[in-house]
Amino acid sequence: GENVEQHPSTLSVQEGDSAVIKCTYSDSASNYFPWYKQELGKRPQLIIDIRSNVGEKKDQRIAVTLNKTAKHFSLHITETQPEDSAVYFCAACEKLTFGTGTRLTIIP
Amino acid sequence: DGGITQSPKYLFRKEGQNVTLSCEQNLNHDAMYWYRQDPGQGLRLIYYSQIVNDFQKGDIAEGYSVSREKKESFPLTVTSAQKNPTAFYLCASNAGGRETQYFGPGTRLLVL
Repeated sequence: GENVEQHPSTLSVQEGDSAVIKCTYSDSASNYFPWYKQELGKRPQLIIDIRSNVGEKKDQRIAVTLNKTAKHFSLHITETQPEDSAVYFCAACEKLTFGTGTRLTIIP
Repeated sequence: DGGITQSPKYLFRKEGQNVTLSCEQNLNHDAMYWYRQDPGQGLRLIYYSQIVNDFQKGDIAEGYSVSREKKESFPLTVTSAQKNPTAFYLCASNAGGRETQYFGPGTRLLVL
């Protein structure tokens, strides 16, 4: 089955700086890669996704890049704000195998 | 994702008791999923169903059972065989395959 590894497990950045979270996957047939944001005690919410026919996708301060050859994809958050503090999960494959999550803390 | 509901929000289970978690969606989605989330951990797939009257085991199906008699509903039963059921349970649905999953608000199960 699919194996998804996510790094780092925790990340602290100064407000206004950029944050990058990386995921690798094992199944070369995977072609859909969403990113979810989960606030404490809440449900995961989709923030951005990418399909394998593109290498990059951007939505305001959030971007995702995909390298299918190397089988990794990354989430980039620019100009971070306190409300970006949350746990972020990547996922891959049809049944959506999730990474173990990254706890992002924005330091005011 | 407001079209997916889960109940109850909190559930307490006694030793040896089976409990059932409800998940309903009005999004006309074919596929539904159950995940378990332990504190500080990621989401692990318990069961999924891609169509009515059919479902498949996920990575941690032991001690759980499901049914999919209606398109809108995908209840999860936590049986007495599940020795460590305390967790946050999330239901999700999508149109199938490689489509975006939408999550319900979750049920927090605690053992008395």
